Amino acid sequence: AQKVTQAQTEISVVEKEDVTLDCVYETRDTTYYLFWYKQPPSGELVFLIRRNSFDEQNEISGRYSWNFQKSTSSFNFTITASQVVDSAVYFCALSEWQTGGFKTIFGAGTRLFVKA
Amino acid sequence: ETGVTQSPTHLIKTRGQQVTLRCSSQSGHNTVSWYQQALGQGPQFIFQYYREEENGRGNFPPRFSGLQFPNYSSELNVNALELDDSALYLCASRTRGTIEPDTQYFGPGTRLTVL
Repeated sequence: AQKVTQAQTEISVVEKEDVTLDCVYETRDTTYYLFWYKQPPSGELVFLIRRNSFDEQNEISGRYSWNFQKSTSSFNFTITASQVVDSAVYFCALSEWQTGGFKTIFGAGTRLFVKA
Repeated sequence: ETGVTQSPTHLIKTRGQQVTLRCSSQSGHNTVSWYQQALGQGPQFIFQYYREEENGRGNFPPRFSGLQFPNYSSELNVNALELDDSALYLCASRTRGTIEPDTQYFGPGTRLTVL
């Protein structure tokens, strides 16, 4: 069965610190897709990245980077030089094909506080 | 902004009542999914609609039902409201990929409070 675990409930850092958000997933499929979303206080989930199970290359986008390690079933997200605007809840999600279409499950989220 | 809109923004109902939430998908998207997000938790998949038919459902009882219209907009209906139905309801739209999932784009959500 699918499962996504974000063990860190809350993280608090001071601006300019680097921070890593952990995500561990469980799946029996060989083909699956991983996502990170940001949810600011407004409530709308903002897409950050999508990665398929065959692409283990790490990715960097500005201050954001993602480390996908299939061997440990982890897809961790690092924010470098954090800023106050990074304060939000971050969700990791896993999509697999099931009858009728792709089904996505989300982790419980990690709330990040960045203090000035 | 994603182009996905939801109405109303907030709603207060009492136990036993019925509620309808609405979602307008992003242009070009033919698949709509609904999620329930309880306070402090991640979104939970309710169901998905493609071409006006439900084609995927999470662990929600039949009193959660939906519709998708020819213009791909969608409704979520909840009957016999219970206190535990209080949550943020999120709508997400995307194109229906059968090879890999296109990215979902979420609306701002409807905050439902059941008293």
